[in-house]
Amino acid sequence: ELKVEQNPLFLSMQEGKNYTIYCNYSTTSDRLYWYRQDPGKSLESLFVLLSNGAVKQEGRLMASLDTKARLSTLHITAAVHDLSATYFCAVRGSGTYKYIFGTGTRLKVLA
Amino acid sequence: EAGVTQFPSHSVIEKGQTVTLRCDPISGHDNLYWYRRVMGKEIKFLLHFVKESKQDESGMPNNRFLAERTGGTYSTLKVQPAELEDSGVYFCASSQDRDLNEKLFFGSGTQLSVL
Repeated sequence: ELKVEQNPLFLSMQEGKNYTIYCNYSTTSDRLYWYRQDPGKSLESLFVLLSNGAVKQEGRLMASLDTKARLSTLHITAAVHDLSATYFCAVRGSGTYKYIFGTGTRLKVLA
Repeated sequence: EAGVTQFPSHSVIEKGQTVTLRCDPISGHDNLYWYRRVMGKEIKFLLHFVKESKQDESGMPNNRFLAERTGGTYSTLKVQPAELEDSGVYFCASSQDRDLNEKLFFGSGTQLSVL
């Protein structure tokens, strides 16, 4: 059974600092997503990573995928308050259409 | 273009009552998914429709939950009778393609509180 672990669960950081959120999954997958959720809002798709070594960047966020280690990272560079949100990774198991989510990382960027 | 809409946004009911959640996917999206997040834990898969057919309902917790998608358009998720542990946020998502380019669009969720 595919399991997804995300850490940390909570992250409080100062503006301007860098940090990384980790997403580990237990079995093979053909794609991995990162989502952002603001309180009371829908999940917004940030990145989809399809292959080993894939790296995608948007603004201060960069996501990477290592399929051999079954690990994805979401790196935050020089955090700003607007990045405060909950971030989820989600993995789709090979040969299925079921997406398994991590527990989410609640990020709070302090001014 | 309208996004995925869910109704109601919040529902507070007593144990034993019935609640029906509704999801309107993006027009033209054949795939519709229901997910649930309980007590700040992970978002768990409930089931997946392709048009009006249930493709995978392996995540449905028990027979108190019934999902339908009449005519392949909107979907409803009924909980009857509701129990305390059913409290959580129920998300609906839709997508157009299931291939490599699939992108899920989520609704803002229904916060269900069972007292």
